[in-house]
Amino acid sequence: VTLLEQNPRWRLVPRGQAVNLRCILKNSQYPWMSWYQQDLQKQLQWLFTLRSPGDKEVKSLPGADYLATRVTDTELRLQVANMSQGRTLYCTCSAPTGKGQDTQYFGPGTRLLVL
Amino acid sequence: GDSVTQTEGPVTVSESESLIINCTYSATSIAYPNLFWYVRYPGEGLQLLLKVITAGQKGSSRGFEATYNKETTSFHLQKASVQESDSAVYYCALGDLPGTGSNRLTFGKGTKFSLIP
Repeated sequence: VTLLEQNPRWRLVPRGQAVNLRCILKNSQYPWMSWYQQDLQKQLQWLFTLRSPGDKEVKSLPGADYLATRVTDTELRLQVANMSQGRTLYCTCSAPTGKGQDTQYFGPGTRLLVL
Repeated sequence: GDSVTQTEGPVTVSESESLIINCTYSATSIAYPNLFWYVRYPGEGLQLLLKVITAGQKGSSRGFEATYNKETTSFHLQKASVQESDSAVYYCALGDLPGTGSNRLTFGKGTKFSLIP
């Protein structure tokens, strides 16, 4: 079974401050790791998939800016910045598992509340 | 792009009654995507409930079942008799690159289900 740990599990974020999230892969034979985000009451949506240490990608969506970094074979990071005030955001990482790599296994997620 | 539409919640049902959550999809990136149902219990991460990768097949798990219908582009989730432990948010999803670990999932908005007290 592929295991993913995330920290922090939740965070109050002062307006204007960025927050750094970590995702640690415990056991997988496949290299890809991904981030997904969900606004409260809205759709869970894919953000990034990174394969190799050193890979980085940025993305701006309504309400926040994102920077993902594949730090090592087992660690993926996400920096979330410029979040809109009063927003609640849920971020989760995933990695493939199972025969054929067809299934994404998800971490426990991080909930962010912007003050 | 790809999209998934599912029953808008919340959905409430009495214990031992049946539950149906509808899901329809539109896949522009791939003709036959993999289809999934995920579930999120309070305070926990997304868990795979069931998946079907072949059109026409049925998947089942924990008393839930869903059939991949390519004619109607649907993947409705059903359970004949629900229990308190089924209270959760259910997500229908499609995967765009079968057979690769880099496949991205497109999710529906989720359907919150709880028992009528």
